[in-house]
Amino acid sequence: ETGVTQSPTHLIKTRGQQVTLRCSSQSGHNTVSWYQQALGQGPQFIFQYYREEENGRGNFPPRFSGLQFPNYSSELNVNALELDDSALYLCASSAPTGNGNYEQYFGPGTRLTVT
Amino acid sequence: AQSVTQLDSHVSVSEGTPVLLRCNYSSSYSPSLFWYVQHPNKGLQLLLKYTSAATLVKGINGFEAEFKKSETSFHLTKPSAHMSDAAEYFCVVSESSGTYKYIFGTGTRLKVLA
Repeated sequence: ETGVTQSPTHLIKTRGQQVTLRCSSQSGHNTVSWYQQALGQGPQFIFQYYREEENGRGNFPPRFSGLQFPNYSSELNVNALELDDSALYLCASSAPTGNGNYEQYFGPGTRLTVT
Repeated sequence: AQSVTQLDSHVSVSEGTPVLLRCNYSSSYSPSLFWYVQHPNKGLQLLLKYTSAATLVKGINGFEAEFKKSETSFHLTKPSAHMSDAAEYFCVVSESSGTYKYIFGTGTRLKVLA
């Protein structure tokens, strides 16, 4: 177990709706990254938050947005859901290791199904 | 830009025989490389990581990988496959600056035959 938790485990939404996914980081980690894993593919980087500020973004449209809170927990929000948004959403927390490399610790994921 | 290529989408081995999952990387800098395993309906579990120390990296469950700069490879091996090794395996390179985001390969599905 990594100490990273995500909720809910599963979610079913209708096209056009909005969804919020939540992530609780491992204790002491100030950075959280979100990834989308479509069926049969590797995870793709959505964005990263460091100390409550967006610190980088992948090739995802603005309807994917996020928040990081003072306790370093995080939310991923997706507006105007599309069928292609159906995927496993993974969050990963990290903290400096002293050598410039940030090992990421993954949560179990939230499975989103859009119908 | 960094990237990884997993050369096999599916690998089948018999229980007790060696496992080889192949990964090539592309990086302008000295990379950090990882192998993760994902069992069905489970999250990602770190098997091992290379961060510019020893080139032969030992991980959990008997897995190991060798970093070969001249071949830009980071292949995952295990001497003897077990039924419980059946899963999806991902090779990952970490961006060397900025977000240090993970760039995943497309995955290799390992099947272990009894």
